[in-house]
Amino acid sequence: EAGVAQSPRYKIIEKRQSVAFWCNPISGHATLYWYQQILGQGPKLLIQFQNNGVVDDSQLPKDRFSAERLKGVDSTLKIQPAKLEDSAVYLCASSLSSLHEQYFGPGTRLTVT
Amino acid sequence: QKEVEQNSGPLSVPEGAIASLNCTYSDRGSQSFFWYRQYSGKSPELIMSIYSNGDKEDGRFTAQLNKASQYVSLLIRDSQPSDSATYLCAVMLNSGNTPLVFGKGTRLSVIA
Repeated sequence: EAGVAQSPRYKIIEKRQSVAFWCNPISGHATLYWYQQILGQGPKLLIQFQNNGVVDDSQLPKDRFSAERLKGVDSTLKIQPAKLEDSAVYLCASSLSSLHEQYFGPGTRLTVT
Repeated sequence: QKEVEQNSGPLSVPEGAIASLNCTYSDRGSQSFFWYRQYSGKSPELIMSIYSNGDKEDGRFTAQLNKASQYVSLLIRDSQPSDSATYLCAVMLNSGNTPLVFGKGTRLSVIA
């Protein structure tokens, strides 16, 4: 069974630029999550989708971050404009449902200079 | 504010010893508990889940849950250098529409 796929793996941008990340979950997984992990911290949930609907985006900085999962499968997370403090690893995870175990993709390491 | 607390370590144990990793959580209504292993520069990998009080064993790993004390632990028997990683404790209310809350992780170092 293929795991969660993410791209790109690494991205370096200047502050105020925009960036987008892509995630393809494990086949059949209805729930998709985007996390932000800052060095030395545990992952922090940014947004949770159930199929193509948003379940929880309470910790998403909506003035600069947006995410979509239009067809209920793959998802994109966008940051515009980026700030220095957005430097982190962005992790995508998926699960069969919100009650099941979550499996993480390899992550995208973002550096904002 | 839901919190999950872990000792950041590093926890150093000799090869072959038992490593004991601990986690406490603040929300008494929490029902689902997970341990993830994260190697440096890699993403978290699920190693154990536990939902009811008591012990759950899987190979060299044993998860222990005590809901009355709001405490969950992970024991690693016969520790190997390859077990050296950061171990993340994650906790969720069982409504399913609440986020998984992670601790900051405990860094384990197994010395050969």
